[in-house]
Amino acid sequence: GENVEQHPSTLSVQEGDSAVIKCTYSDSASNYFPWYKQELGKRPQLIIDIRSNVGEKKDQRIAVTLNKTAKHFSLHITETQPEDSAVYFCAARVHGSSNTGKLIFGQGTTLQVKP
Amino acid sequence: GAGVSQSPSNKVTEKGKDVELRCDPISGHTALYWYRQRLGQGLEFLIYFQGNSAPDKSGLPSDRFSAERTGESVSTLTIQRTQQEDSAVYLCASSSPGTTNFGPGTRLLVL
Repeated sequence: GENVEQHPSTLSVQEGDSAVIKCTYSDSASNYFPWYKQELGKRPQLIIDIRSNVGEKKDQRIAVTLNKTAKHFSLHITETQPEDSAVYFCAARVHGSSNTGKLIFGQGTTLQVKP
Repeated sequence: GAGVSQSPSNKVTEKGKDVELRCDPISGHTALYWYRQRLGQGLEFLIYFQGNSAPDKSGLPSDRFSAERTGESVSTLTIQRTQQEDSAVYLCASSSPGTTNFGPGTRLLVL
């Protein structure tokens, strides 16, 4: 069945360093890959997403890359700050009608940015 | 505009009782999803609505779980004869092409 694997499960970096989180997906028909940030006790918030027709997307300190051939995508955070500390989830949308198929999530990465 | 809302925000129930969780999606969002998140875990897909129909209910853990949606709006998730392992945060999300927005979740505790 559909599956998304996410690594690492925990990541600790020094403030100012970069952080990279990687995900692989199983369904080759997946066409949309969002990343969510979830702070403790709060709902997941979309931070960046990428569609299958592009290989990279950047938004200030955050970038996402997609390799469709290898079926993996990554989140890159540069110049990390303590407020980046949270749990990050990748997801892949299983192809559905009207571009609204279900999202399958990775297991999450707990990012800790040390001041 | 208003985001996705859920009620109740917290629910404590006794094992064996039934519970009903409610989700109000963003107006105009035809797709609606229910996810379960156990403490410290990822988001587990439960069911997906497109309009009022559920083309994918493959994530419902057992026949104690059911969901419905009416008027392409409100959805309710019902858990019958609750068990302690049902304790989790139940998240609802609604979607339009291009974005998926989550509600704040219902924190369910089964004693």
